[in-house]
Amino acid sequence: KNQVEQSPQSLIILEGKNCTLQCNYTVSPFSNLRWYKQDTGRGPVSLTIMTFSENTKSNGRYTATLDADTKQSSLHITASQLSDSASYICVVSAGSNYQLIWGAGTKLIIKP
Amino acid sequence: GAGVSQSPSNKVTEKGKDVELRCDPISGHTALYWYRQSLGQGLEFLIYFQGNSAPDKSGLPSDRFSAERTGGSVSTLTIQRTQQEDSAVYLCASSSTSSGGGRGEQFFGPGTRLTVL
Repeated sequence: KNQVEQSPQSLIILEGKNCTLQCNYTVSPFSNLRWYKQDTGRGPVSLTIMTFSENTKSNGRYTATLDADTKQSSLHITASQLSDSASYICVVSAGSNYQLIWGAGTKLIIKP
Repeated sequence: GAGVSQSPSNKVTEKGKDVELRCDPISGHTALYWYRQSLGQGLEFLIYFQGNSAPDKSGLPSDRFSAERTGGSVSTLTIQRTQQEDSAVYLCASSSTSSGGGRGEQFFGPGTRLTVL
């Protein structure tokens, strides 16, 4: 069964600190992996998208990594800001299927 | 217009009533998606429209759910005889393409929060 699991479920850190969010997937065939940021009451916004051949991609203070062998991805946030408080969702696309397999997300809270 | 818009932003209805949710995609986007997001859960795919092709309705949870897309633009998701388990946020997204393994980036609207009492 195609599945995307994220950890931790929630995370609280102090402003300025770094953090890493994890994503494990069992999706076959694999096409690409995306990280989305979803602010409360808003729709998800794409942060990064990586294909099988890419093992890291950055978007400002966000850096995503992908290990296609172990089927794991991580999202590292550097020098966190209050505006980083949101849910971060890992999404995997299977083959040519446009239907995406969505993780439940990690709820990140940044405290001043 | 800038992004995807949805209306209403919030809808409270009584069990058994019908509801209609509207989505205005980004102009020129040929692909349109409806998702449902329940509290603490990942997004659940409902239905997908691509141009003039027949929609993929494989994600609709029951025959009480239906959707249409008029003129390849605005879409309406209809839920008949609503049940309490239908309570969720309904998200609409559009993209310029769905080819290549779904690489076309999906742009999401703010969602409609549906509460069935």
